[in-house]
Amino acid sequence: DTGVSQDPRHKITKRGQNVTFRCDPISEHNRLYWYRQTLGQGPEFLTYFQNEAQLEKSRLLSDRFSAERPKGSFSTLEIQRTEQGDSAMYLCASSSSDQPQHFGDGTRLSIL
Amino acid sequence: GEDVEQSLFLSVREGDSSVINCTYTDSSSTYLYWYKQEPGAGLQLLTYIFSNMDMKQDQRLTVLLNKKDKHLSLRIADTQTGDSAIYFCAVWGAGSYQLTFGKGTKLSVIP
Repeated sequence: DTGVSQDPRHKITKRGQNVTFRCDPISEHNRLYWYRQTLGQGPEFLTYFQNEAQLEKSRLLSDRFSAERPKGSFSTLEIQRTEQGDSAMYLCASSSSDQPQHFGDGTRLSIL
Repeated sequence: GEDVEQSLFLSVREGDSSVINCTYTDSSSTYLYWYKQEPGAGLQLLTYIFSNMDMKQDQRLTVLLNKKDKHLSLRIADTQTGDSAIYFCAVWGAGSYQLTFGKGTKLSVIP
């Protein structure tokens, strides 16, 4: 069990640029989740995949955000035209059916 | 929607017990979790309890659930300096796939 892996760990970009993050879940987990965490807050849910199907999206996920899980394994989260308010830690988690969610170490995004 | 509240700070002396408290609003919550976050890291699952249980013990950790008052607590026995971190309470409600988190309790352990 290698755990949930996220790449990159840190991303610094200029406002207006596009960024993409990758998440590799624990191999046998069919469920994958994205959360966003800002300073001093708990994680907030963004979206959920069961296998390759995106089944739930938060209203936090504006139209500049898109997530995919094309083959039901790894997932990507893309943010287009980044804004200052997008600066946060983006966390990925995975689980097997109704079992607890296990989190990766996150990608910290800083917008200049 | 679900709301989860925690006190923001707790300070204890090394060797003492720590008790971190959490309240939630959704009575249909099915699983309740405690996660630990160290600086710059992701969340580590510590323990969880199903809503039909009142207590769960796992080594130094004891979770108590009072469903009537919608109150969850985490007791850490013999607290060590390595326990210094932010502890998050999280709730999973029936019919939802998402976890709802509190803002976290920062535990500081004084040597």
